[in-house]
Amino acid sequence: KAGVTQTPRYLIKTRGQQVTLSCSPISGHRSVSWYQQTPGQGLQFLFEYFSETQRNKGNFPGRFSGRQFSNSRSEMNVSTLELGDSALYLCASSRTRTDTQYFGPGTRLTVL
Amino acid sequence: QQQVKQSPQSLIVQKGGISIINCAYENTAFDYFPWYQQFPGKGPALLIAIRPDVSEKKEGRFTISFNKSAKQFSLHIMDSQPGDSATYFCAATGFQKLVFGTGTRLLVSP
Repeated sequence: KAGVTQTPRYLIKTRGQQVTLSCSPISGHRSVSWYQQTPGQGLQFLFEYFSETQRNKGNFPGRFSGRQFSNSRSEMNVSTLELGDSALYLCASSRTRTDTQYFGPGTRLTVL
Repeated sequence: QQQVKQSPQSLIVQKGGISIINCAYENTAFDYFPWYQQFPGKGPALLIAIRPDVSEKKEGRFTISFNKSAKQFSLHIMDSQPGDSATYFCAATGFQKLVFGTGTRLLVSP
């Protein structure tokens, strides 16, 4: 069974731009969560989607948004990029909302 | 109350030795405690997990010890190998959110 895939793997943007990251969950998994990983803050929860609805949200500004499609694929969007948004963005999927989460390889975003 | 505290921040162990990483939590609503292993350039991979109704779980060289009354849990890596060198994260799940510890960078010297 294929794992969680994330595209693109690497991205370089400049301040003020916006970016969209994509996540394809493991087949049969309906819950998708997003995390931001930085050396200073560690792994922080962004949001969780299940059945195309955002079920949970972390403590991030409204510039961070996401959505989930009917095939469970998910995208997250960051608008008006700031230097501090440079991070590894990780997507994790699980079969249900309470099952074990499996992570993708992440998208490394660099904001210049 | 949503925090999970992890120690040590870094750890150096000789090959064949035992690596021990500790975590503590406050929120008694947490009901699932996974450990993740992360290699550079990769996403975290589930290593082993435990629920609070069990005091110990062993999978190969990896053991979780869980102390519900003290709200602490730990990962023991027996016979540590250089290939175990990675960053380890403890985590706790509650309210469908996964809360991570700050991570422990483990280096196993040959």
